[in-house]
Amino acid sequence: AQSVTQLGSHVSVSEGALVLLRCNYSSSVPPYLFWYVQYPNQGLQLLLKYTSAATLVKGINGFEAEFKKSETSFHLTKPSAHMSDAAEYFCAVNRMDSSYKLIFGSGTRLLVRP
Amino acid sequence: NAGVTQTPKFQVLKTGQSMTLQCAQDMNHEYMSWYRQDPGMGLRLIHYSVGAGITDQGEVPNGYNVSRSTTEDFPLRLLSAAPSQTSVYFCASSPGTIGGYTFGSGTRLTVV
Repeated sequence: AQSVTQLGSHVSVSEGALVLLRCNYSSSVPPYLFWYVQYPNQGLQLLLKYTSAATLVKGINGFEAEFKKSETSFHLTKPSAHMSDAAEYFCAVNRMDSSYKLIFGSGTRLLVRP
Repeated sequence: NAGVTQTPKFQVLKTGQSMTLQCAQDMNHEYMSWYRQDPGMGLRLIHYSVGAGITDQGEVPNGYNVSRSTTEDFPLRLLSAAPSQTSVYFCASSPGTIGGYTFGSGTRLTVV
């Protein structure tokens, strides 16, 4: 079965500091991986996706993630945090079979200190 | 385009009542899913559909029914509401390629 694990339910950084949100996946077949962001009282918005075309994936709002097969990781980074980045971030894995189910991690809430 | 539309946005039910959460998408997506979101547990898949007339269970299907009579609509039925079903419910759709899922804005359900 496929799954994702997000390390750290809360991450706090200062404005301007590096953002690093961790995601490890488990999959018996090559996965498709996604990062979503959820702002308070809103739905989920796709940040970026890995679909095997390139291991370093750039997304919206300056975020990027690197797929590392040897480490089964897909960590999300941003060089400099903004106050507007405060939100909850979800890593998800999708198996490209007939079900096309998307399975989520438990989420990481990013707090940005002024 | 409206994307994925969920109604209602808020609902309060009494234990034992039934109701239907509506979900409609106008993107001609084949794949649709229902998730519930609870604090600390991320999003858990309730039911999903790979096309009109085809549905299947996800991780937490008990107490919920779905049907998919058209490509556009994917309603979620609560048969007999229980306090454990208090949650935020999200509907999502996908074209089934590498595009990922588009989410609705959610329905916040409270069962008292």
